[in-house]
Amino acid sequence: DTAVSQTPKYLVTQMGNDKSIKCEQNLGHDTMYWYKQDSKKFLKIMFSYNNKELIINETVPNRFSPKSPDKAHLNLHINSLELGDSAVYFCASSTDSGSASYEQYFGPGTRLTVT
Amino acid sequence: GENVEQHPSTLSVQEGDSAVIKCTYSDSASNYFPWYKQELGKRPQLIIDIRSNVGEKKDQRIAVTLNKTAKHFSLHITETQPEDSAVYFCAAGGNYQLIWGAGTKLIIKP
Repeated sequence: DTAVSQTPKYLVTQMGNDKSIKCEQNLGHDTMYWYKQDSKKFLKIMFSYNNKELIINETVPNRFSPKSPDKAHLNLHINSLELGDSAVYFCASSTDSGSASYEQYFGPGTRLTVT
Repeated sequence: GENVEQHPSTLSVQEGDSAVIKCTYSDSASNYFPWYKQELGKRPQLIIDIRSNVGEKKDQRIAVTLNKTAKHFSLHITETQPEDSAVYFCAAGGNYQLIWGAGTKLIIKP
């Protein structure tokens, strides 16, 4: 009965590869997010989706592409992986409809290591 | 652009003492101020939040104060315990996007 789940938990891959991270929430929330947390622990918003529509797309390389097949899922696909992509990626969800005024529930994170 | 500044970046306190973490925000339209705690290797989790129509909120050993005029808000933890060791993030929201502070690593010394 996990609220926000991500797979995989760990991902080790080589530069140049393409990989995907999956996220699912069973809270019935309208909004989902992807964050990147680097080694300095700073939480950087990457994308935000509300009812399957993109509402935030921060300055991230276009190698990163989010896909939301339905309200409960937001997957992150990364092309041509680079060393600097190594980080922990968190998915989150919220009942928020875009006002950023409600609690965000985070998934357990995916630690991506690019070698 | 909007930003949230958080201080200090690291805070070391003796067990049983109080800890205070401060944040300032730039967007006057912000009306929601959550605090998240992230233990080592875990996900961030909300511990307390406050809205702009309230000046102070308390939940057991933790409290948050908000000064809208000065655009700053603070997290207060009293009687600190070893399990309070974590990274704490402040954030400001209510205007389309939640803006996060850089985090404070709180160390509780035995």
